[in-house]
Amino acid sequence: QKEVEQDPGPLSVPEGAIVSLNCTYSNSAFQYFMWYRQYSRKGPELLMYTYSSGNKEDGRFTAQVDKSSKYISLFIRDSQPSDSATYLCAMSATSGTYKYIFGTGTRLKVLA
Amino acid sequence: GAGVSQSPSNKVTEKGKDVELRCDPISGHTALYWYRQRLGQGLEFLIYFQGNSAPDKSGLPSDRFSAERTGESVSTLTIQRTQQEDSAVYLCASSPKGGSNQPQHFGDGTRLSIL
Repeated sequence: QKEVEQDPGPLSVPEGAIVSLNCTYSNSAFQYFMWYRQYSRKGPELLMYTYSSGNKEDGRFTAQVDKSSKYISLFIRDSQPSDSATYLCAMSATSGTYKYIFGTGTRLKVLA
Repeated sequence: GAGVSQSPSNKVTEKGKDVELRCDPISGHTALYWYRQRLGQGLEFLIYFQGNSAPDKSGLPSDRFSAERTGESVSTLTIQRTQQEDSAVYLCASSPKGGSNQPQHFGDGTRLSIL
């Protein structure tokens, strides 16, 4: 079993829809949770960075962390065609390990 | 400001050749990471530098892979005697200091193809 599981998609939604992207994980030591957006042939771009449980909002993006269920989510409101990309979740522990463990990414298509 | 810069952006080479990949981190970032992204897969951690020392090199897949860093600047990842399974995008990231409470910022990667 992988440490981080993420549905690869593709996920297709109409413009203006609310998008929900999710990851589950198995390592209870993870405390930091990140969402990256990756366009084709580009590097991952940091979208959201959260610590422990709770919600964080930034513009059209909301990140949620439920540590009791080992489940994290990214919501995109009023989705735009420019949001079409692969979304990667990543997580790390607080000590001893500085590396990020990534999900495989979910490919999102927002249709105009 | 300038982000993480990687070169070359693309590299095609024959099986058995050595390749060297370069990463210029964001100025002032002391921590530097290398990851590998195979087609359809997530990023795999390779090695972490704090300054010019590498406290975690647990992700290097074999002794054909090595990396070094000059001070708090440029890093090179070297793959000797390349194999077809080495074909992947190699991504470099930097952060202001080591520790998982600092977000990592990525370059656009080097796309390596082994013929």
